[in-house]
Amino acid sequence: EAGVTQFPSHSVIEKGQTVTLRCDPISGHDNLYWYRRVMGKEIKFLLHFVKESKQDESGMPNNRFLAERTGGTYSTLKVQPAELEDSGVYFCASSQGVQMYEQYFGPGTRLTVT
Amino acid sequence: RKEVEQDPGPFNVPEGATVAFNCTYSNSASQSFFWYRQDCRKEPKLLMSVYSSGNEDGRFTAQLNRASQYISLLIRDSKLSDSATYLCVVNDGVPTFGRGTSLIVHP
Repeated sequence: EAGVTQFPSHSVIEKGQTVTLRCDPISGHDNLYWYRRVMGKEIKFLLHFVKESKQDESGMPNNRFLAERTGGTYSTLKVQPAELEDSGVYFCASSQGVQMYEQYFGPGTRLTVT
Repeated sequence: RKEVEQDPGPFNVPEGATVAFNCTYSNSASQSFFWYRQDCRKEPKLLMSVYSSGNEDGRFTAQLNRASQYISLLIRDSKLSDSATYLCVVNDGVPTFGRGTSLIVHP
């Protein structure tokens, strides 16, 4: 069974540009989560989708970040315009149930904003 | 948001050693606790959940102390392959990660 996949694996963009990250969850997983780890900090929760609905977006840092999951399958996270402090690793995770231990993490997208 | 704190290490131990990590959390209402392992430039992977009664999985033992608000991870008979960063996660509705403790097991 394929795991959680994320695209791209790396992205280098200039401040002010737009970047869209994609996450494909494990097939059949209704729950999809976005996390990020900025340099020197801990991994932080961004938001949680149940199918196409945002269940919890309390961790989204500001309105430059927009997450979507149209159709309840893959999800995108767009950063527009990107700032230097957005650099970090963005992880996606998916699960069938809502328990933390059920989540499978993707390999992450390493974003560098210069 | 409440914090989860870990000693960043690194803990540098020889093969075969026993090593223990602690993690403190500030939200007394937290309900579930986990240890994750993260290898360099890889995604976190669940190592084990931490139950009130404590739990053991092979060489790994996790314990929860609610009164003092900490969880611990004990690794016995360390292997070279145990070298990684160990992340403490506390879930009070939203998962809160610690920064991780780095373990280096050397020959």
